[in-house]
Amino acid sequence: AQKITQTQPGMFVQEKEAVTLDCTYDTSDQSYGLFWYKQPSSGEMIFLIYQGSYDEQNATEGRYSLNFQKARKSANLVISASQLGDSAMYFCAMREDTGRRALTFGSGTRLQVQP
Amino acid sequence: EAGVTQFPSHSVIEKGQTVTLRCDPISGHDNLYWYRRVMGKEIKFLLHFVKESKQDESGMPNNRFLAERTGGTYSTLKVQPAELEDSGVYFCASSPGRLGAATDTQYFGPGTRLTVL
Repeated sequence: AQKITQTQPGMFVQEKEAVTLDCTYDTSDQSYGLFWYKQPSSGEMIFLIYQGSYDEQNATEGRYSLNFQKARKSANLVISASQLGDSAMYFCAMREDTGRRALTFGSGTRLQVQP
Repeated sequence: EAGVTQFPSHSVIEKGQTVTLRCDPISGHDNLYWYRRVMGKEIKFLLHFVKESKQDESGMPNNRFLAERTGGTYSTLKVQPAELEDSGVYFCASSPGRLGAATDTQYFGPGTRLTVL
């Protein structure tokens, strides 16, 4: 069974600094996808970035990058140059490529960006 | 392009009553999903539609929950009768379904916050 672990319930970062949000996963499948979503206080879930298990390069989307270490089964989200608007809950999620498309989510990390 | 929309945004009902949540997916998305987050726990999968067919309903907690997707467009999730433990945030997501499964990104709606008193 797949499992996602986010060990940081809360994180603080100074504006303009970089921050890493941890995510480890457990799966017996060789083919899978990893996702990060952001949930601001308004409640909507915003897709940030995707990493496929066979992707050789780490995914990047603007200020977001995914530090993918397959052997360690970790998929940490790196946010560079933090902005006040980055304050939100961040969820790591995984889907195995078995045909079942349900996402498995971690418990989330609440990031607060301080001015 | 409009995103996934959900109605209502909030619902407060008493135990034993019925509530129906609605989700309108992104236009053209064949896949529609329901998830829920109960009292600070992880977001959990409920079920998955492909067009109007239930592809996977393994996450539905019990037979008090009924989901439909008539005509393969919008979907409803009915809870009847509601219990206290059903309180939480119900999210709907949709995905195109035209790519390989791994890259078929799910886009979420804002959720419906359900409170059962």
